[in-house]
Amino acid sequence: AQRVTQPEKLLSVFKGAPVELKCNYSYSGSPELFWYVQYSRQRLQLLLRHISRESIKGFTADLNKGETSFHLKKPFAQEEDSAMYYCALRGSNYQLIWGAGTKLIIKP
Amino acid sequence: DGGITQSPKYLFRKEGQNVTLSCEQNLNHDAMYWYRQDPGQGLRLIYYSQIVNDFQKGDIAEGYSVSREKKESFPLTVTSAQKNPTAFYLCASSISGQGSDTQYFGPGTRLTVL
Repeated sequence: AQRVTQPEKLLSVFKGAPVELKCNYSYSGSPELFWYVQYSRQRLQLLLRHISRESIKGFTADLNKGETSFHLKKPFAQEEDSAMYYCALRGSNYQLIWGAGTKLIIKP
Repeated sequence: DGGITQSPKYLFRKEGQNVTLSCEQNLNHDAMYWYRQDPGQGLRLIYYSQIVNDFQKGDIAEGYSVSREKKESFPLTVTSAQKNPTAFYLCASSISGQGSDTQYFGPGTRLTVL
């Protein structure tokens, strides 16, 4: 079965603390994974994709095929990082399979 | 924002009525998508279209219908056959329908069945 699991519905950390949003996937082939973000009163938008191996707004995500994970990390959280984060997997029919999302709250 | 628009923002429907949600894009994208979002759940794909005059069922197509007569438009009809239509509906588009491309989202339509 193809599935994306985000185990935390809510994650709350203090400003300046490290952040890790967890994403685990189930997929038999070579996965292609994404993180999308929705800031308050804004549209859902792409944050990063694993094939680009880029850092966006200080966030990085490494694909770990052994652990079937694609956790999103940032070493020092900022208040503007507060948002809803979704992990997504490109399925075998080329369409995205989405996790349930994690609400990240950065406390001042 | 621009690019992809959805209307209306809020929609109320009586039980037994069909209702159509509008989605328009001016990004010249070939692919368009309709998702349903319920509290505590991720986005679930209702229908998608990779090219004009063609569309495919997603994971939860029952009770919904779409058309893609124009490249820029992908309206979604929620029919009376949809058992639990109250939800937030998101439309998206991408350059192609191959899954690797960035999806660009509209602001959403919140449908409430009275």
